[in-house]
Amino acid sequence: EVQLVESGGGLVQPGGSLRLSCAASGFTFSDHYIDWVRHAPGKGLEWVGRSENKDYSYTAQYAASVKGRFTISRDDSKNSVFLQMNSLKSEDTAVYYCARDNGATYWGQGTLVTVSS
Amino acid sequence: DIQMTQSPSSLSASVGDRVTITCRASQGISNDLAWFQQKPGKAPKSLIYAASNLQSGVPSKFSGSGSGTDFTLTISSLQPEDFATYYCQQFHAYPLTFGGGTKVEIK
Repeated sequence: EVQLVESGGGLVQPGGSLRLSCAASGFTFSDHYIDWVRHAPGKGLEWVGRSENKDYSYTAQYAASVKGRFTISRDDSKNSVFLQMNSLKSEDTAVYYCARDNGATYWGQGTLVTVSS
Repeated sequence: DIQMTQSPSSLSASVGDRVTITCRASQGISNDLAWFQQKPGKAPKSLIYAASNLQSGVPSKFSGSGSGTDFTLTISSLQPEDFATYYCQQFHAYPLTFGGGTKVEIK
C-alpha cells in the first residue's frame, strides 16, 4: 500500500526556519517525483516545489513564491523527501502536503505550519 | 507561468443535478491536466489525470474532457458526498499551477 506521511510542522516566528519531512512507503521511491503542495487558510491549493526522480538526477523545482527561501532534498536510503523552509513569513502559514507524481494520485495527510509571533 | 482559470468559483446545486466545471489554461498544455476534490480539513483526492482518465476507485459519475487550453469536469448526478471544492492543475510546465477552485454547495 502506498503511503506518504508528513511530519515536522509547528509554530515558528517570522524569519524562523522549519524542516518538514515526507516519509514514503509501498513503492520504489527513487522512480517517482515527490511534490510539496500547501493550502493556506481560506485560500486555494498552491504548488510549492518538486523533487524529481533519479532519471532527472533528483533535480528540485520551486514556485517563485518560495525560491531562494525553501530547499527540497531527498534521502533515498530513508525513502524520504525534506522541505527546508527558511526566512518564513506569515503568508507561509498553511497545511503542507506531499504528493506523488504528475496527477498526484497519492497524498499525505498534511502537516500544519503556523508562522506567527 | 501558465495561468489556470476555473469557472465558476462557486455554484449551488441540488442532489441529482448534472454539474460542469471549466478550467482554461493560458497556453496549450496538451492533456497534462488533473482534477482534485477537497473536503474541509482533508487532503485533496485525485479524481482525473491526463485530462480524461478516471483514477482507480473513483466513481464513473465523474468524467473529464478537453485538450489544449479548455477542459471540463462533469459530475453526472450530484450526491451529498460530492459537495466539496474542486481544483484543476496543469503539469505541462514548471511551475505547476492550480486553478482557483470551484466550491460546490448544496442548494
